[in-house]
Amino acid sequence: AQSVAQPEDQVNVAEGNPLTVKCTYSVSGNPYLFWYVQYPNRGLQFLLKYITGDNLVKGSYGFEAEFNKSQTSFHLKKPSALVSDSALYFCAVRDMGNQGGKLIFGQGTELSVKP
Amino acid sequence: NAGVMQNPRHLVRRRGQEARLRCSPMKGHSHVYWYRQLPEEGLKFMVYLQKENIIDESGMPKERFSAEFPKEGPSILRIQQVVRGDSAAYFCASSPGQIGSGEQYFGPGTRLTVT
Repeated sequence: AQSVAQPEDQVNVAEGNPLTVKCTYSVSGNPYLFWYVQYPNRGLQFLLKYITGDNLVKGSYGFEAEFNKSQTSFHLKKPSALVSDSALYFCAVRDMGNQGGKLIFGQGTELSVKP
Repeated sequence: NAGVMQNPRHLVRRRGQEARLRCSPMKGHSHVYWYRQLPEEGLKFMVYLQKENIIDESGMPKERFSAEFPKEGPSILRIQQVVRGDSAAYFCASSPGQIGSGEQYFGPGTRLTVT
């Protein structure tokens, strides 16, 4: 079964510092990996995805993610955090099985950026 | 280009009543996914539909829940005889196709409260 894990419920960062939100995955075959962000009482917004190609993926709002096959990780990063980045972040893997299409989400990581 | 639309945004039902949640996918998208987010939890897949077909309902509770995506009109998630445990945020997502790398676009969600 495919799964993703986000080992940290919460990440606290000072504004201007780099941030990392961790994600590890377990899939059979090649993974299709995604990061989404959720602001309070809102839907999910797509940030970036890894399908194939370069291990460093660049996305929206200055975020990027590094795919590491040997460590089965797909950590989300940003060089300089903003207070407005405070939100709930979800890592997801796409299920490419027989009924392919659904996303399997991690439990989410609450990012708090303090001024 | 309007995004994924969901209505109502908030729905309050008494125990035993029916809840109907509507989702209009993005223009040109024929694939709809429903997810549920329980308080303090991540998103869990419920059902995946194409026009007039249920493709994967592996995440749907066996009783009281049903979904449809008719040829014309929005997708409907129907919950009969609601119970307090059904209180959650229900998100709809759409994509242009099942296959491969495409991300899913999420609506703002319907927050169901059962009293």
